[in-house]
Amino acid sequence: DAKTTQPTSMDCAEGRAANLPCNHSTISGNEYVYWYRQIHSQGPQYIIHGLKNNETNEMASLIITEDRKSSTLILPHATLRDTAVYYCIVRVAWGTDKLIFGTGTRLQVFP
Amino acid sequence: GAGVSQSPSNKVTEKGKDVELRCDPISGHTALYWYRQSLGQGLEFLIYFQGNSAPDKSGLPSDRFSAERTGGSVSTLTIQRTQQEDSAVYLCASSLGGQGSQYFGPGTRLLVL
Repeated sequence: DAKTTQPTSMDCAEGRAANLPCNHSTISGNEYVYWYRQIHSQGPQYIIHGLKNNETNEMASLIITEDRKSSTLILPHATLRDTAVYYCIVRVAWGTDKLIFGTGTRLQVFP
Repeated sequence: GAGVSQSPSNKVTEKGKDVELRCDPISGHTALYWYRQSLGQGLEFLIYFQGNSAPDKSGLPSDRFSAERTGGSVSTLTIQRTQQEDSAVYLCASSLGGQGSQYFGPGTRLLVL
């Protein structure tokens, strides 16, 4: 699985959009970009994933650059409950391989 | 529907004792994973099951760790002769075979005194 690079921490004001970047310059053509988050003292939670097209669900939007070397997770209206560590992971979607978690981005949403 | 459940939520044991941790995956999920997260550390993979078979055990840290899965459903992670460095949160996840999105349980917090 390709390695990802994320900022260690970010802040965001409540109600504003949180944009979390991820670099994955060595991603392979058959690898998807997955995002998970871990709220304090809970298990990781799946957010969204995508291959090359932008994706949106009820939780977030995922923007993947045309060359697929980077992506951005967007939380359109951050709330205090979105404070968590966000992990960007690349892997093949149809496989059942393990997830390899990096250090993630610690997002702090403030009032 | 019901998510992944794990029991116990918390476990305190003495060094040298054996412990068993249980995971009930989402119904119908054929793939099951165990991870652990030590204090202040990232999540590390332990073992993966597809059905009752474990094609990837590469993350088990020592032969004191073992896991089994029966009936393609419930899984048990056993740690023998526990050590203080085994203290961690043990997380279980499941997924539909081939779809890849893993859904995690709340974890079991293990403290070895």
